[in-house]
Amino acid sequence: EVQLVQSGAEVKKPGESLRISCKGSGYSFTSYWISWVRQMPGKGLEWMGRIDPSDSYTNYSPSFQGHVTISADKSISTAYLQWSSLKASDTAMYYCARRPGDHNYGMDVWGQGTTVTVSS
Amino acid sequence: SYVLTQPPSVSVAPGKTARITCGGNNIGSKSVHWYQQKPGQAPVLVIYYDSDRPSGIPERFSGSNSGNTATLTISRVEAGDEADYYCQVWDSSSEVFGGGTKLTVL
Repeated sequence: EVQLVQSGAEVKKPGESLRISCKGSGYSFTSYWISWVRQMPGKGLEWMGRIDPSDSYTNYSPSFQGHVTISADKSISTAYLQWSSLKASDTAMYYCARRPGDHNYGMDVWGQGTTVTVSS
Repeated sequence: SYVLTQPPSVSVAPGKTARITCGGNNIGSKSVHWYQQKPGQAPVLVIYYDSDRPSGIPERFSGSNSGNTATLTISRVEAGDEADYYCQVWDSSSEVFGGGTKLTVL
């Protein structure tokens, strides 16, 4: 079964660092880009950026550039989203999703989501 | 940056047809994808490449794209179709989502 399994919910304080993960299984991890998508409470989907696990090439939405870092370890089929200094406004649900790297066929498999709560 | 505009809400009676639009400048020249998101769940791809359906998606879901508007059509609407729907395109090395449309089944 093709799936993306994300790490569990996190509760952090402002200023703390955090890394969440997304592990792919059931397919060739390096054949698909992994995107990260934010959904703030009661709001819509926002694309944050993506990584090509085959070469770790990344690109970010201008809205998130410099605020987060996306990385991947293809040896363990896992992508990461990390923050060096969290803010209360980072409180949201975060999804990872895959799409074929060589075709624009949409994001066909999504992780279950990771809830991040940032509160003092 | 590219902007996709969706109506905030659409209401439809069971058994009728729902149409959800997604507006963008010359969107007909782009590939449009549609996602369904039910409360508390991750999004699900229901239409890709304007009008193709992934396996497991009912034939009641269809899509079209021309000019400045893409449309997701849901025929014979069921109570289980009540959800938020998002359109999405790839533009200038970024994925872009519309603001989402809440489909209410009356």
